[in-house]
Parts: sequence; C-alpha cells; structure tokens
Amino acid sequence: KAGVTQTPRYLIKTRGQQVTLSCSPISGHRSVSWYQQTPGQGLQFLFEYFSETQRNKGNFPGRFSGRQFSNSRSEMNVSTLELGDSALYLCASSLIGDSPLHFGNGTRLTVT
Amino acid sequence: TQLLEQSPQFLSIQEGENLTVYCNSSSVFSSLQWYRQEPGEGPVLLVTVVTGGEVKKLKRLTFQFGDARKDSSLHITAAQPGDTGLYLCGVRVGNQFYFGTGTSLTVIP
Repeated sequence: KAGVTQTPRYLIKTRGQQVTLSCSPISGHRSVSWYQQTPGQGLQFLFEYFSETQRNKGNFPGRFSGRQFSNSRSEMNVSTLELGDSALYLCASSLIGDSPLHFGNGTRLTVT
Repeated sequence: TQLLEQSPQFLSIQEGENLTVYCNSSSVFSSLQWYRQEPGEGPVLLVTVVTGGEVKKLKRLTFQFGDARKDSSLHITAAQPGDTGLYLCGVRVGNQFYFGTGTSLTVIP
C-alpha cells in the first residue's frame, strides 16, 4: 500500500510569489490535514479536509489556503510569500477524522 | 501557550543509556499519540494510549499515560543510535490535531 506522497520535495521561491503544494493520501483515506514545521514553532496545524470540505483551520493568515478533490488528493496554496513562510510543510492522511495520522515526507519550502 | 509541553527539549546520550521524555498538559485528553520523526522524513506513529494509567511497550520503548489522562511519558531502555530522532506527542481536540514542542534525541555510538 503506497504511503502519503507529497510533491515537490524541495522548492525555492522569492518573496511575493505564490506556491502550490500537492499531497496524495493513502488510498481509501478521506481526511487530509496540513502542518507547518519550523524550528522555532514546532509542528503547527494549518487545516484539515474531509470529503472535499474544510473542517477546521489553524491560526494562519488568509494567504494560506487549500482544497481537496473528489479523489481525496489535496493541494495547499500560499500566496504573496514571505521570508517567514520558509518551513517544512507536511501533509497527513487518516482513514476517518479520529484515526492515527500517516504523514508524507514533506515539502521543504525556502523563500528568499 | 502550548497545549502540550515536552521535556527535555534536547537530549544527547551515549549508546546503552536509559532515558525518559515527558509530555505534559493541564487539559484532559481521551487519547494521546507518540510519533518519531527522523531527519528528512515525516513523523511516524509509535503508539496510541487511551486509558488512564495505561502502559504500552514497543520493544525497548515503554509508554505510559497518566492516571488523570493529562500527561504521558516515554522511556527508552538501552538506547541505540537508531533511536535518534524527534519525538512528538500529539492529541486530537475536535477536528484539530495538536503536537507537543518535541524532544530531539541524539544517541551517540
């Protein structure tokens, strides 16, 4: 069974640009959540999608958005990038909302 | 304020030593999970504890959930270099998952 796949693995962008990250969950998993990981703040929740609906959103500005498709694949978008957006972005899928999280290996975003 | 506080933040020990890391909160949880994250990878689930006072063992790792379900500990016996990584505790509250601040463990051969 294939794990959670995130693309791309590495990304370098400049301030003001926008970026789209992709996440393919484990087959059959309907819940996808996104997290930002930085050395200073640790692992912080961005948002969760279940059956194409955003169920919850963390404390991040509106520049961070996401969506989920009918096949459960998910994308997150960050517009008007800032230096502080440099981080490892992790996606996790779960069978239903309460089941354990299965993480991808993340996308390392560097904003210069 | 962090929902889950982990201690210590960093730990560097020699191979063969024992260690304990802690995950504390003032809130009560229905369950708590421990994850390990190795460099360049995403976190991987180690265990879920559900019952107050529960003890679970995974080879040399022993996990305990506090009686009041507010805290948890992870004890590693005879640590090995392969145990090196970031240990995270996490809980689900509603539709959101919260992680602790993490303990970065380095086991020196």
